[in-house]
Amino acid sequence: AQSVAQPEDQVNVAEGNPLTVKCTYSVSGNPYLFWYVQYPNRGLQFLLKYITGDNLVKGSYGFEAEFNKSQTSFHLKKPSALVSDSALYFCAVRDYGGYQKVTFGTGTKLQVIP
Amino acid sequence: GAGVSQSPRYKVAKRGQDVALRCDPISGHVSLFWYQQALGQGPEFLTYFQNEAQLDKSGLPSDRFFAERPEGSVSTLKIQRTQQEDSAVYLCASSDRGRWEQYFGPGTRLTVT
Repeated sequence: AQSVAQPEDQVNVAEGNPLTVKCTYSVSGNPYLFWYVQYPNRGLQFLLKYITGDNLVKGSYGFEAEFNKSQTSFHLKKPSALVSDSALYFCAVRDYGGYQKVTFGTGTKLQVIP
Repeated sequence: GAGVSQSPRYKVAKRGQDVALRCDPISGHVSLFWYQQALGQGPEFLTYFQNEAQLDKSGLPSDRFFAERPEGSVSTLKIQRTQQEDSAVYLCASSDRGRWEQYFGPGTRLTVT
């Protein structure tokens, strides 16, 4: 069975500071990993994905994530946080070679303080 | 182009009523997914279609839940004899052939009273 853990319910960061939102995963095979963002009263939006290749992937709005196979982690990062980044962030995993089922984490609320 | 749309956006049902939730995916997207999102939780997978074929329905919580996509485009999620525990936001997502990222609709918030 595949699973995702987001250990922090909320992350607070000052505007202009770097931010990290943590995610660890568990799959039986090779993972497909995703980050999605949910703004208030809006649907989930795709940010970035890791399928294969370079461990550092870049996505929308200046976000990036680093795939670390030994630590089974896929942390989301941004060098300089904006107030407009405040939202709910979800990490998700799909097991390569398995079905299309994607498992989401419980979400981390990011609060960027002006 | 147009994104994924869902209707209705809000639905209030009395316990025991049947409801039908509609999803219009992005035109041409082969894959369609339904999720259930409870308050404060991440989306939980319900079912997956590739074109008109329902390839995975392992997440449907009971036989009261039924989904269809007869022509490989629009999909309907039907819940029979609704219960209070069915109250949640139901999300639909679609993805293009060979692409793994999903595009989500705004969701339907179902409240069972």
